[in-house]
Amino acid sequence: DTGVSQDPRHKITKRGQNVTFRCDPISEHNRLYWYRQTLGQGPEFLTYFQNEAQLEKSRLLSDRFSAERPKGSFSTLEIQRTEQGDSAMYLCASSSDIGVAFFGEGSRLTVL
Amino acid sequence: GENVGLHLPTLSVQEGDNSIINCAYSNSASDYFIWYKQESGKGPQFIIDIRSNMDKRQGQRVTVLLNKTVKHLSLQIAATQPGDSAVYFCAENISPGAGNMLTFGGGTRLMVKP
Repeated sequence: DTGVSQDPRHKITKRGQNVTFRCDPISEHNRLYWYRQTLGQGPEFLTYFQNEAQLEKSRLLSDRFSAERPKGSFSTLEIQRTEQGDSAMYLCASSSDIGVAFFGEGSRLTVL
Repeated sequence: GENVGLHLPTLSVQEGDNSIINCAYSNSASDYFIWYKQESGKGPQFIIDIRSNMDKRQGQRVTVLLNKTVKHLSLQIAATQPGDSAVYFCAENISPGAGNMLTFGGGTRLMVKP
């Protein structure tokens, strides 16, 4: 399967703990996006990379959130000091410069 | 899995009928539109896209119509099948060159009755 891969698929953590999600994009795609989706809502944009450069960040991305794409391939999204409001599905997508964004299956976070 | 679709508008159709899902977008500068299908516990799956210089685009069993005058987008599914049951989102983007940052609509849940 050469689609977008995300890991872990599910994460349950206690409030205050740090969590990290990983995304492996489609190999030939230079653009990578993170979105967050809560129950009953559409995905909301968080941040975007072109190769290793983080070019856009949403106001939703508080200072507890950090995303990296160190070599322009896989990306990580870290949430520090998790809060119950962080519970959501975190979606990664990738695209070429002018192509469609293809999404992974998501990483579901539950903060207790 | 993820219970996508809770509290969303629902369209219920009989298997074999045609479905029409509507979407109103807000940004008159949006230049590119996409329909995604999302099944419970899965990520959004690309269905079809359309650029603002087109009014209509057809795929396999699906057609997207764009009315820029009233900022309205619709997705038509022909001969709806049980496997089409999912939540459908429209998404808009100012330009594919602007990073493909998408703004999603609220979604519509399609239920297909056998």
